Amino acid sequence: GAVVSQHPSRVICKSGTSVKIECRSLDFQATTMFWYRQFPKQSLMLMATSNEGSKATYEQGVEKDKFLINHASLTLSTLTVTSAHPEDSSFYICSARDHTDFYNEQFFGPGTRLTVL
Amino acid sequence: AQSVSQHNHHVILSEAASLELGCNYSYGGTVNLFWYVQYPGQHLQLLLKYFSGDPLVKGIKGFEAEFIKSKFSFNLRKPSVQWSDTAEYFCAVNKGAGTALIFGKGTTLSVSS
Repeated sequence: GAVVSQHPSRVICKSGTSVKIECRSLDFQATTMFWYRQFPKQSLMLMATSNEGSKATYEQGVEKDKFLINHASLTLSTLTVTSAHPEDSSFYICSARDHTDFYNEQFFGPGTRLTVL
Repeated sequence: AQSVSQHNHHVILSEAASLELGCNYSYGGTVNLFWYVQYPGQHLQLLLKYFSGDPLVKGIKGFEAEFIKSKFSFNLRKPSVQWSDTAEYFCAVNKGAGTALIFGKGTTLSVSS
């Protein structure tokens, strides 16, 4: 089955630093990847849609200069949280869509727990 | 605004009880519908999905869901739950290939043995 990985699984950083999270589709090519944020005991909130070779589309209220998304290849998208602050602490999850999949299924990564001190 | 509503925040059942989790969406037009499960400490897994055809869809682990277009609903059911079904359940929709999923707030299911 289709597998999506994320790295790192957990990261702790100091306030003001930047953190990069990688999302990889391991056994399929993904023209589109999505980044979500999940707060404790809450649902996943879509942050942005990442398309290979083009700029990401951000949801309303998501700062594109703070959450930099790069989708340079068909198997890798990165989310960089710039100048992180404690309020950015959250669980970040990516999903990837197999562009050959007619049925539009998305496959989710295991998530990255970010803690900003 | 487009939204997905899950009516039950926390459901507590005994093993062998029947389960029904409600999900309503507010999109117009054609939608794709999904139920995902998130076991403690694990990532989201697809339980079942509906794109077209038979509105009663069967998924993994004995789950099924029924799409009722007139009610904008896609309720999840299981006739007899097990302790291992304890998890968070999310209903989600999207409007077509390549579009993002919009999730409901989730329902926590606790099953006691």
